[in-house]
Amino acid sequence: DAGVIQSPRHEVTEMGQEVTLRCKPISGHDYLFWYRQTMMRGLELLIYFNNNVPIDDSGMPEDRFSAKMPNASFSTLKIQPSEPRDSAVYFCASSPYRDNSRPGTDTQYFGPGTRLTVL
Amino acid sequence: AQKITQTQPGMFVQEKEAVTLDCTYDTSDQSYGLFWYKQPSSGEMIFLIYQGSYDEQNATEGRYSLNFQKARKSANLVISASQLGDSAMYFCAMKRSYKLIFGSGTRLLVRP
Repeated sequence: DAGVIQSPRHEVTEMGQEVTLRCKPISGHDYLFWYRQTMMRGLELLIYFNNNVPIDDSGMPEDRFSAKMPNASFSTLKIQPSEPRDSAVYFCASSPYRDNSRPGTDTQYFGPGTRLTVL
Repeated sequence: AQKITQTQPGMFVQEKEAVTLDCTYDTSDQSYGLFWYKQPSSGEMIFLIYQGSYDEQNATEGRYSLNFQKARKSANLVISASQLGDSAMYFCAMKRSYKLIFGSGTRLLVRP
């Protein structure tokens, strides 16, 4: 089975440009998560979706960031306009619905990440 | 507030030996899950092992085992028979609801 797919793997852009990161979750997973990893702040959750609906976007840094999930197999994270401090690795992860009779079944599986550099 | 602490920024281990990576957590929740992920130099995050707060037995997955001490709020990862490919960053994480909270990580280097 294919894992979580992210594109592009690397993105270099100039300050002020729009950046769109893409994610295809594992088929059948109900939850999709966007994380950001930086040296200063480590791994932090930006937003997550359940059945394509955003549930918690409290981690989104500011209005320049937006995320959508138009269908069960695709999500985007957009930064407009981008700034150098947005440089980081952005991970998408997905998990199935939690089955309380089988703990751990809602493990999050991560994509390979997108390394974003904003000059 | 939920918090994960990994006090070892870096560790060395000799190939074929066992190594323990420390993780302590802070939560007031009764039900929670603890996870370990591996991040090799290539950058991906690889799920290793899971421990539920109500699990009475320590989790094991191949060469990975979790030394879970609930009263001490610790969930240490034990890697047996280390291999060169085990060299990576290792992250402990706790799940509350659907949110994963990560520690700062431990960089493990396996010496040949």
